[in-house]
Amino acid sequence: GAVVSQHPSRVICKSGTSVKIECRSLDFQATTMFWYRQFPKQSLMLMATSNEGSKATYEQGVEKDKFLINHASLTLSTLTVTSAHPEDSSFYICSATATPNTEAFFGQGTRLTVV
Amino acid sequence: DQQVKQNSPSLSVQEGRISILNCDYTNSMFDYFLWYKKYPAEGPTFLISISSIKDKNEDGRFTVFLNKSAKHLSLHIVPSQPGDSAVYFCAASSGAINKLSFGAGTTVTVRA
Repeated sequence: GAVVSQHPSRVICKSGTSVKIECRSLDFQATTMFWYRQFPKQSLMLMATSNEGSKATYEQGVEKDKFLINHASLTLSTLTVTSAHPEDSSFYICSATATPNTEAFFGQGTRLTVV
Repeated sequence: DQQVKQNSPSLSVQEGRISILNCDYTNSMFDYFLWYKKYPAEGPTFLISISSIKDKNEDGRFTVFLNKSAKHLSLHIVPSQPGDSAVYFCAASSGAINKLSFGAGTTVTVRA
Protein backbone atom coordinates (compact mmCIF):
# COMPACT_ATOMS: atom_id res chain seq x y z
CA GLY A 1 0.00 0.00 0.00
CA ALA A 2 0.91 3.66 -0.16
CA VAL A 3 3.18 5.17 2.46
CA VAL A 4 2.30 7.95 4.84
CA SER A 5 5.05 9.15 7.14
CA GLN A 6 4.42 11.06 10.33
CA HIS A 7 7.07 12.92 12.27
CA PRO A 8 8.01 12.97 15.07
CA SER A 9 6.86 9.64 16.48
CA ARG A 10 7.27 10.90 20.04
CA VAL A 11 7.62 14.37 21.48
CA ILE A 12 7.75 15.78 24.97
CA CYS A 13 7.23 19.48 25.42
CA LYS A 14 6.80 21.96 28.22
CA SER A 15 3.42 23.37 29.06
CA GLY A 16 2.79 26.60 27.15
CA THR A 17 4.98 25.77 24.17
CA SER A 18 3.85 24.81 20.68
CA VAL A 19 4.50 21.56 18.88
CA LYS A 20 4.34 20.85 15.17
CA ILE A 21 3.56 17.40 13.78
CA GLU A 22 4.14 16.61 10.11
CA CYS A 23 2.25 14.18 7.93
CA ARG A 24 3.71 13.34 4.53
CA SER A 25 2.43 11.16 1.72
CA LEU A 26 5.59 9.67 0.25
CA ASP A 27 4.43 8.06 -2.95
CA PHE A 28 1.14 9.68 -3.86
CA GLN A 29 -0.50 13.08 -3.93
CA ALA A 30 -2.88 13.49 -1.03
CA THR A 31 -5.71 15.86 -1.81
CA THR A 32 -7.22 15.22 1.60
CA MET A 33 -5.66 14.51 4.96
CA PHE A 34 -7.39 13.72 8.21
CA TRP A 35 -6.14 14.30 11.73
CA TYR A 36 -7.22 12.06 14.60
CA ARG A 37 -6.54 12.00 18.31
CA GLN A 38 -6.71 9.04 20.64
CA PHE A 39 -6.79 9.21 24.42
CA PRO A 40 -5.90 6.08 26.41
CA LYS A 41 -8.46 3.29 26.09
CA GLN A 42 -10.61 5.43 23.82
CA SER A 43 -11.31 5.49 20.10
CA LEU A 44 -9.49 7.43 17.47
CA MET A 45 -11.49 10.64 17.26
CA LEU A 46 -11.50 12.71 14.10
CA MET A 47 -10.29 16.25 14.78
CA ALA A 48 -10.27 17.83 11.37
CA THR A 49 -10.25 17.31 7.63
CA SER A 50 -7.77 19.21 5.55
CA ASN A 51 -7.87 19.69 1.81
CA GLU A 52 -4.85 20.91 -0.07
CA GLY A 53 -4.90 24.64 -0.54
CA SER A 54 -7.96 25.35 1.59
CA LYS A 55 -8.82 25.83 5.22
CA ALA A 56 -9.30 22.78 7.38
CA THR A 57 -12.74 21.72 8.53
CA TYR A 58 -12.82 21.05 12.25
CA GLU A 59 -15.08 18.65 14.09
CA GLN A 60 -17.37 19.93 16.78
CA GLY A 61 -15.53 20.63 20.01
CA VAL A 62 -12.09 20.97 18.42
CA GLU A 63 -10.58 24.42 18.82
CA LYS A 64 -9.25 25.60 15.48
CA ASP A 65 -7.08 28.27 17.09
CA LYS A 66 -5.42 25.71 19.30
CA PHE A 67 -4.92 23.02 16.68
CA LEU A 68 -3.59 24.77 13.61
CA ILE A 69 -3.68 22.70 10.46
CA ASN A 70 -1.86 23.58 7.29
CA HIS A 71 -2.06 21.60 4.06
CA ALA A 72 0.03 23.72 1.77
CA SER A 73 1.11 21.01 -0.64
CA LEU A 74 -0.23 17.74 -2.00
CA THR A 75 2.24 15.76 0.06
CA LEU A 76 2.40 17.58 3.38
CA SER A 77 0.00 18.55 6.12
CA THR A 78 1.03 19.87 9.51
CA LEU A 79 -0.76 20.00 12.83
CA THR A 80 0.50 22.55 15.34
CA VAL A 81 -0.66 22.24 18.91
CA THR A 82 -0.35 25.78 20.24
CA SER A 83 0.19 26.64 23.90
CA ALA A 84 0.11 22.99 24.80
CA HIS A 85 -1.20 21.87 28.17
CA PRO A 86 -0.95 18.50 29.92
CA GLU A 87 -4.52 17.67 28.88
CA ASP A 88 -3.37 17.84 25.24
CA SER A 89 -1.14 14.84 25.88
CA SER A 90 -2.44 12.23 23.50
CA PHE A 91 -1.74 10.09 20.46
CA TYR A 92 -2.17 12.08 17.25
CA ILE A 93 -2.42 10.30 13.92
CA CYS A 94 -3.00 11.41 10.37
CA SER A 95 -4.40 9.68 7.33
CA ALA A 96 -4.13 10.69 3.70
CA THR A 97 -6.12 9.92 0.61
CA ALA A 98 -5.66 10.69 -3.05
CA THR A 99 -9.37 11.14 -3.75
CA PRO A 100 -12.38 11.40 -1.42
CA ASN A 101 -13.66 7.90 -2.11
CA THR A 102 -10.48 5.88 -2.10
CA GLU A 103 -8.73 4.14 0.72
CA ALA A 104 -6.99 6.36 3.25
CA PHE A 105 -3.52 5.43 4.48
CA PHE A 106 -2.42 6.14 8.00
CA GLY A 107 0.80 7.51 9.40
CA GLN A 108 2.51 5.86 12.36
CA GLY A 109 1.17 8.38 14.84
CA THR A 110 2.77 10.83 17.26
CA ARG A 111 2.76 10.38 21.01
CA LEU A 112 2.66 13.87 22.53
CA THR A 113 3.42 14.34 26.20
CA VAL A 114 3.08 17.81 27.70
CA VAL A 115 4.85 18.27 31.02
CA ASP B 1 -20.35 10.56 21.97
CA GLN B 2 -18.93 7.26 20.81
CA GLN B 3 -20.88 6.05 17.81
CA VAL B 4 -18.81 2.93 17.23
CA LYS B 5 -18.16 0.57 20.11
CA GLN B 6 -15.94 -2.43 20.52
CA ASN B 7 -16.88 -3.79 23.89
CA SER B 8 -14.16 -6.40 24.13
CA PRO B 9 -10.79 -4.78 24.73
CA SER B 10 -8.95 -8.03 24.27
CA LEU B 11 -9.28 -11.51 22.81
CA SER B 12 -7.01 -14.51 23.18
CA VAL B 13 -7.33 -17.42 20.77
CA GLN B 14 -5.35 -20.53 19.98
CA GLU B 15 -3.57 -20.78 16.66
CA GLY B 16 -5.74 -22.47 14.07
CA ARG B 17 -9.01 -21.56 15.77
CA ILE B 18 -11.46 -18.86 14.81
CA SER B 19 -11.19 -15.28 16.09
CA ILE B 20 -14.45 -13.36 16.26
CA LEU B 21 -14.33 -9.63 16.85
CA ASN B 22 -17.50 -7.67 17.46
CA CYS B 23 -18.48 -4.09 16.82
CA ASP B 24 -21.69 -2.16 17.48
CA TYR B 25 -22.73 1.22 16.14
CA THR B 26 -25.44 3.70 16.96
CA ASN B 27 -25.60 5.97 13.91
CA SER B 28 -28.11 4.60 11.41
CA MET B 29 -26.64 6.88 8.74
CA PHE B 30 -23.43 4.85 8.57
CA ASP B 31 -23.28 3.11 5.22
CA TYR B 32 -19.73 1.84 5.00
CA PHE B 33 -17.81 -0.18 7.53
CA LEU B 34 -14.14 -1.06 7.72
CA TRP B 35 -11.76 -3.09 9.82
CA TYR B 36 -8.19 -1.95 10.38
CA LYS B 37 -5.29 -3.83 11.87
CA LYS B 38 -2.55 -2.11 13.85
CA TYR B 39 0.82 -3.35 14.97
CA PRO B 40 2.80 -1.48 17.68
CA ALA B 41 4.58 1.65 16.42
CA GLU B 42 2.77 1.48 13.08
CA GLY B 43 -0.34 3.16 11.73
CA PRO B 44 -3.56 1.23 11.18
CA THR B 45 -3.70 -0.66 7.90
CA PHE B 46 -6.87 -1.44 6.05
CA LEU B 47 -8.02 -5.03 6.32
CA ILE B 48 -11.51 -5.47 4.91
CA SER B 49 -14.67 -3.45 4.39
CA ILE B 50 -18.36 -3.87 3.75
CA SER B 51 -21.02 -1.65 2.29
CA SER B 52 -24.41 -1.40 3.94
CA ILE B 53 -26.03 -2.99 0.90
CA LYS B 54 -24.30 -6.26 1.72
CA ASP B 55 -24.41 -8.52 4.74
CA LYS B 56 -21.19 -10.41 4.16
CA ASN B 57 -17.82 -9.83 2.57
CA GLU B 58 -15.05 -12.38 2.43
CA ASP B 59 -11.36 -11.99 1.66
CA GLY B 60 -9.23 -15.05 2.25
CA ARG B 61 -9.17 -15.83 5.97
CA PHE B 62 -11.14 -12.69 6.82
CA THR B 63 -14.91 -12.37 6.67
CA VAL B 64 -16.98 -9.43 7.81
CA PHE B 65 -20.66 -9.83 8.63
CA LEU B 66 -23.08 -6.93 8.88
CA ASN B 67 -26.42 -7.02 10.67
CA LYS B 68 -28.02 -3.67 9.95
CA SER B 69 -31.14 -4.25 12.02
CA ALA B 70 -28.99 -4.94 15.07
CA LYS B 71 -26.43 -2.27 14.11
CA HIS B 72 -23.76 -4.88 14.59
CA LEU B 73 -20.85 -6.15 12.61
CA SER B 74 -18.28 -8.80 13.23
CA LEU B 75 -14.94 -9.86 11.84
CA HIS B 76 -14.10 -13.53 11.61
CA ILE B 77 -10.53 -14.69 11.16
CA VAL B 78 -10.11 -18.34 10.41
CA PRO B 79 -7.76 -20.00 10.90
CA SER B 80 -6.03 -17.59 13.27
CA GLN B 81 -2.27 -17.29 12.89
CA PRO B 82 0.38 -15.83 15.23
CA GLY B 83 0.91 -12.95 12.79
CA ASP B 84 -2.69 -11.94 13.36
CA SER B 85 -1.78 -10.77 16.86
CA ALA B 86 -2.49 -7.04 16.70
CA VAL B 87 -5.05 -4.40 17.62
CA TYR B 88 -8.13 -4.43 15.41
CA PHE B 89 -10.21 -1.32 14.93
CA CYS B 90 -13.74 -1.20 13.63
CA ALA B 91 -14.62 1.99 11.74
CA ALA B 92 -17.69 3.40 10.04
CA SER B 93 -18.50 6.25 7.73
CA SER B 94 -21.51 8.03 6.34
CA GLY B 95 -21.13 9.38 2.84
CA ALA B 96 -17.48 10.39 2.91
CA ILE B 97 -15.69 7.07 2.89
CA ASN B 98 -12.58 8.40 4.58
CA LYS B 99 -14.17 10.44 7.33
CA LEU B 100 -14.23 7.66 9.87
CA SER B 101 -15.64 7.02 13.30
CA PHE B 102 -13.57 4.42 15.10
CA GLY B 103 -14.10 1.96 17.87
CA ALA B 104 -11.59 1.75 20.72
CA GLY B 105 -9.98 -1.38 19.34
CA THR B 106 -9.66 -5.02 20.35
CA THR B 107 -6.25 -6.51 21.06
CA VAL B 108 -6.02 -10.01 19.62
CA THR B 109 -3.41 -12.44 20.87
CA VAL B 110 -3.00 -15.69 18.98
CA ARG B 111 -1.37 -18.38 21.11
CA ALA B 112 0.82 -20.98 19.50
